[in-house]
Amino acid sequence: NAGVMQNPRHLVRRRGQEARLRCSPMKGHSHVYWYRQLPEEGLKFMVYLQKENIIDESGMPKERFSAEFPKEGPSILRIQQVVRGDSAAYFCASSPLTSGGASTQYFGPGTRLTVL
Amino acid sequence: GQQLNQSPQSMFIQEGEDVSMNCTSSSIFNTWLWYKQEPGEGPVLLIALYKAGELTSNGRLTAQFGITRKDSFLNISASIPSDVGIYFCAGQASGSRLTFGEGTQLTVNP
Repeated sequence: NAGVMQNPRHLVRRRGQEARLRCSPMKGHSHVYWYRQLPEEGLKFMVYLQKENIIDESGMPKERFSAEFPKEGPSILRIQQVVRGDSAAYFCASSPLTSGGASTQYFGPGTRLTVL
Repeated sequence: GQQLNQSPQSMFIQEGEDVSMNCTSSSIFNTWLWYKQEPGEGPVLLIALYKAGELTSNGRLTAQFGITRKDSFLNISASIPSDVGIYFCAGQASGSRLTFGEGTQLTVNP
């Protein structure tokens, strides 16, 4: 009965390095969502993926950020050439397959990225 | 884009008191969700609402989906110290992204 798994829980990178954040959805869930949370703020949507498909990436910055959810393995959020402003908590959520109706999202514990 | 206004921003109450917080939106949502977040953790789902007018309870928590589909409230009765945390409302217009409020920080004094 494992929930949404994220790793690492904490990640420290220097400016210019790459950050890779991983998310394994709950068993039986085929939809994955990534959100970013800055201190003292609510979560902001970044991207919505299904297996091998990006469904909605309207919340993703146009440069340096990419996401994938391969057929096998976890979803990956990749940030290239990190800058200090990328420091934040990144949360992954998953939901089960629905037939066009509401899809309740369950969140992982997050990855806290610190850029030095 | 869609925006949610959540109030109050913070609350300081005595153990045993009731708490009420709400969210309003500039546009319609089909689903309202309430989450609680504790330091260093991800949001935990408390209540999900799927129909306008729906009133749902989960233990001491009660939430309602407003008739206009542009608002929702969460009530916590007889608060206890472990209720401390940040409570977020979230609206969903379709089966995809959630739009979150800015959160209500709840402090409960024993």
